[in-house]
Amino acid sequence: GQNIDQPTEMTATEGAIVQINCTYQTSGFNGLFWYQQHAGEAPTFLSYNVLDGLEEKGRFSSFLSRSKGYSYLLLKELQMKDSASYLCAVRDRNAGGTSYGKLTFGQGTILTVHP
Amino acid sequence: NAGVTQTPKFRILKIGQSMTLQCTQDMNHNYMYWYRQDPGMGLKLIYYSVGAGITDKGEVPNGYNVSRSTTEDFPLRLELAAPSQTSVYFCASSYSRQTVPQYFGPGTRLTVL
Repeated sequence: GQNIDQPTEMTATEGAIVQINCTYQTSGFNGLFWYQQHAGEAPTFLSYNVLDGLEEKGRFSSFLSRSKGYSYLLLKELQMKDSASYLCAVRDRNAGGTSYGKLTFGQGTILTVHP
Repeated sequence: NAGVTQTPKFRILKIGQSMTLQCTQDMNHNYMYWYRQDPGMGLKLIYYSVGAGITDKGEVPNGYNVSRSTTEDFPLRLELAAPSQTSVYFCASSYSRQTVPQYFGPGTRLTVL
């Protein structure tokens, strides 16, 4: 089984930097994903980490430490449109060592960006 | 290329009624998934499929059934609707288990009264 924990809510100011943390416990780790979900819309993919380290994609970066069961999503130069829920999800590896791509999601962090 | 489509967008059911939520993808993806999302919560996996004719239970399968007769379609069936099934339902697909990401449909908002 898996347990994923992330803060419920965060607020930040336009133009600032915010870091959203995610901790997880899993029996067979096979990748960590970050999704963005605006209110009333479907989740959209932001980033993916399977090895330790930092992945950068424009204003968004994601970090992973497998030994610590820890990831964060870093959002730079915040814009009002970044106000959304950010979902951390872990893909597991089943007992046979394979994975059917199943994701287990955290509850999401609602980020509110103020002017 | 429409991606993942879902119908209907909204539905209100009475307790005990049944309905089918439709999901279709045109990306030739093998893997398809059904999730439900309750208010303020993350997504929970209901059922998934790794190819036509193959389905398996996820985390919260009770009260639901699925079928996968074609690569494109993955309908979700509610047989006896209950208020606890009030939720937003998302269908998703991916090409293979190692491919990222999962692509999500727009969702179906279901209310059971």
